[in-house]
Amino acid sequence: AQKVTQAQTEISVVEKEDVTLDCVYETRDTTYYLFWYKQPPSGELVFLIRRNSFDEQNEISGRYSWNFQKSTSSFNFTITASQVVDSAVYFCALRGRGSTLGRLYFGRGTQLTVWP
Amino acid sequence: EAQVTQNPRYLITVTGKKLTVTCSQNMNHEYMSWYRQDPGLGLRQIYYSMNVEVTDKGDVPEGYKVSRKEKRNFPLILESPSPNQTSLYFCASSSDLYNEQFFGPGTRLTVL
Repeated sequence: AQKVTQAQTEISVVEKEDVTLDCVYETRDTTYYLFWYKQPPSGELVFLIRRNSFDEQNEISGRYSWNFQKSTSSFNFTITASQVVDSAVYFCALRGRGSTLGRLYFGRGTQLTVWP
Repeated sequence: EAQVTQNPRYLITVTGKKLTVTCSQNMNHEYMSWYRQDPGLGLRQIYYSMNVEVTDKGDVPEGYKVSRKEKRNFPLILESPSPNQTSLYFCASSSDLYNEQFFGPGTRLTVL
């Protein structure tokens, strides 16, 4: 079965703090894809990153970085020097390439609040 | 502008009154999908379509129908809505199964 767990329901930090959002996934597929999406208070869903199972390199994009570790089935997201504009709900998602191809499984999301 | 559009954006209806939420994309994407978002549950997939005339169930298909007669359109049909279908609905599309999805702005549905 495919499953994504985001154990942190809510996180609050003060501006300029670093924060890590955890994502743990379960899959039996050898090939799969992981995604992160952001949902700001305005409600739209914004794509942040895609990672396939064969690429374990960490990725950095400005203040954002992602740590993919197959050994622990985790795909964690770190925001460095957080800003108020980072306040949003963040979703991690999984797509396998096996029998559930076509299905996309989301975690329940982490509400991040960054205080000024 | 490349986009996914949904209509209506807001809808209040009553139990049992059939409704359709339209979804259209202008990016020539093969793959389209519907999700519902409920507090504490994240997004759950309702139906998806990998191409014209090809649709399949997601996690929560009960009470919903879809069709894909044209590549650009993927309407969501509630034949007999019930209060437990009160939710925020998102349509999404992607060029294929492996790339990121582009989401519509969402439709907030209330069934009384």
